[in-house]
Amino acid sequence: DIQMTQSPSSLSASVGDRVTITCQASQDISNYLNWYQQKPGKAPKLLIYDASNLETGVPSRFSGSGSGTDFTFTISSLQPEDIATYYCQQYDNLLFTFGQGTRLEIK
Amino acid sequence: QITLKESGPTLVKPTQTLTLTCTFSGFSLSTSGVGVGWIRQPPGKALEWLALIYWDDDKRYSPSLKSRLTITKDTSKNQVVLTMTNMDPVDTATYYCAHRSQSDYYFDYWGQGTLVTVSS
Repeated sequence: DIQMTQSPSSLSASVGDRVTITCQASQDISNYLNWYQQKPGKAPKLLIYDASNLETGVPSRFSGSGSGTDFTFTISSLQPEDIATYYCQQYDNLLFTFGQGTRLEIK
Repeated sequence: QITLKESGPTLVKPTQTLTLTCTFSGFSLSTSGVGVGWIRQPPGKALEWLALIYWDDDKRYSPSLKSRLTITKDTSKNQVVLTMTNMDPVDTATYYCAHRSQSDYYFDYWGQGTLVTVSS
């Protein structure tokens, strides 16, 4: 089974900061890597699919990159409404796996 | 407009079998490429994928829980049912159902989730 290592597990940043989260797969997963945002008490929301594609309606300050085993999720300018937990999710060999999550807080 | 909603018991006893139903609208599970999955989240912990059923009745399960899970669909009722046997307190979680993108491998629509507590 493919393991996903997401880091950091928590992050504190100021409004306007550039924020980066990484996800590493234990094997090559091509670009089958997606990113979700989850706010407290809510269901996850898809932000980025296939490593770098912005879901419709998602602000352009969110972006993703990478392929193979190493992936990066970036918020170019942190906004107060971005406070949430972020998860990566991979697909390989007919199975799905989520990362452990990154809790993002405002400094 | 795609919507999904989970239903089932909020409390189950250890060793019992959990049955959850996902009732959806805005798509058909008889359409090629469509899938519905189940994902859970223990309080304060990460998301965990459990199972997924495809339009052609192909079924996939998390390897760590495969022996305890069964996923089925009722296309005429627009429902997907997940059963999990031998429930334990560690299975206490919010259970979500979600629509798998028709042509890709992500979940683009989610239900609101239902909290299931396992306790005697």
